[in-house]
Amino acid sequence: AQSVTQLGSHVSVSEGALVLLRCNYSSSVPPYLFWYVQYPNQGLQLLLKYTSAATLVKGINGFEAEFKKSETSFHLTKPSAHMSDAAEYFCAVSGPWTTGRRALTFGSGTRLQVQP
Amino acid sequence: SQTIHQWPATLVQPVGSPLSLECTVEGTSNPNLYWYRQAAGRGLQLLFYSIGIDQISSEVPQNLSASRPQDRQFILSSKKLLLSDSGFYLCAWSDNRSNLLAGELFFGEGSRLTVL
Repeated sequence: AQSVTQLGSHVSVSEGALVLLRCNYSSSVPPYLFWYVQYPNQGLQLLLKYTSAATLVKGINGFEAEFKKSETSFHLTKPSAHMSDAAEYFCAVSGPWTTGRRALTFGSGTRLQVQP
Repeated sequence: SQTIHQWPATLVQPVGSPLSLECTVEGTSNPNLYWYRQAAGRGLQLLFYSIGIDQISSEVPQNLSASRPQDRQFILSSKKLLLSDSGFYLCAWSDNRSNLLAGELFFGEGSRLTVL
């Protein structure tokens, strides 16, 4: 079975500071991994995804994530936070279709606050 | 381009009343379709997914049901709502041409249900 754990339900950073949101995964097969962002009362928007190509993945809005198999991690980073980055962020892992479950499993989310 | 529409956006219903949330996808054919629920502070819970008309898998036993009467239409229903059904419901689709791993999900804007 696949699962993801997001460490820290709330993260607060100052504007201009480094953003680091942590995600660890568990998967019985080489995974596909995703980061989504959700603004209040909206659906989820894809930030970036890892699909077994380059381990460092660049996404929208200046975010990037690095797949580290040895650490089973896929942490999300951004060098300099903007006020507009305040949102909830979800890490997700795919499941192999061979199990018949063609869906993503999401972490519990991390709410990012950006202080002026 | 593909779009996903979900309605109603907001719904307030009394306990014991019925529910119908609708979702339609445009610009693609034979998509995989999903219903997720997001309760406060609990991340996203997969409720149902469908890989084709009348092919629906239920993830969690509950008083909710899903139907797919047409290729690009997915409906979430309940005959009698419970207080615990309150939450933010998200419809999503993915391309069924993805390989052996589940692919990226594209989300609707969500439906906020409050059961009183």
